[in-house]
Amino acid sequence: AQSVAQPEDQVNVAEGNPLTVKCTYSVSGNPYLFWYVQYPNRGLQFLLKYITGDNLVKGSYGFEAEFNKSQTSFHLKKPSALVSDSALYFCAVRDRTGFQKLVFGTGTRLLVSP
Amino acid sequence: SQTIHQWPATLVQPVGSPLSLECTVEGTSNPNLYWYRQAAGRGLQLLFYSVGIGQISSEVPQNLSASRPQDRQFILSSKKLLLSDSGFYLCAWMPLPTGNRGYTFGSGTRLTVV
Repeated sequence: AQSVAQPEDQVNVAEGNPLTVKCTYSVSGNPYLFWYVQYPNRGLQFLLKYITGDNLVKGSYGFEAEFNKSQTSFHLKKPSALVSDSALYFCAVRDRTGFQKLVFGTGTRLLVSP
Repeated sequence: SQTIHQWPATLVQPVGSPLSLECTVEGTSNPNLYWYRQAAGRGLQLLFYSVGIGQISSEVPQNLSASRPQDRQFILSSKKLLLSDSGFYLCAWMPLPTGNRGYTFGSGTRLTVV
């Protein structure tokens, strides 16, 4: 079965510093991977996806993610964190049943301090 | 434009009362539709998905049911709520074939069973 793991419950970073939120995946075949962000009491918002092509994927709000097949990772990154980036981040993989369900990780809370 | 509407935003219901949460999408046809529950502000659990009118698949046994009476309408229901039904309920859709943004989520319903 397809799955993703987010090993960190929380990531703390100072404003202006680079940030990384980790995600590893376990899939059979080529993965379809996604990152979403959730602000308090809101639905999830799409940040970026990897389907095929370049290993470095650029997304919304200055975020990017690097697909690494050998390490089965899809880490989310941003060169310079903003306080407004503080939120809950989810990694997800699309399953292969044909119903296009997404399987989500447990989420990582990002706290950016001023 | 393609949008998703979910209501109500918040709901407080007594134990044993019925439940009906509604989700509608606009600007698309024949979408895949999904109901997720988020407990304790973290993990997302897929409850139901639907690939067409009247077609409902349940992911986990529970006190809830879902229906899709129209192409762009997805309803989550319960005849008698339990305390454990409290949580944040999210509706999502994905166009066929897979859209560039994966899922689009509604804004969620915060359900508190008292």
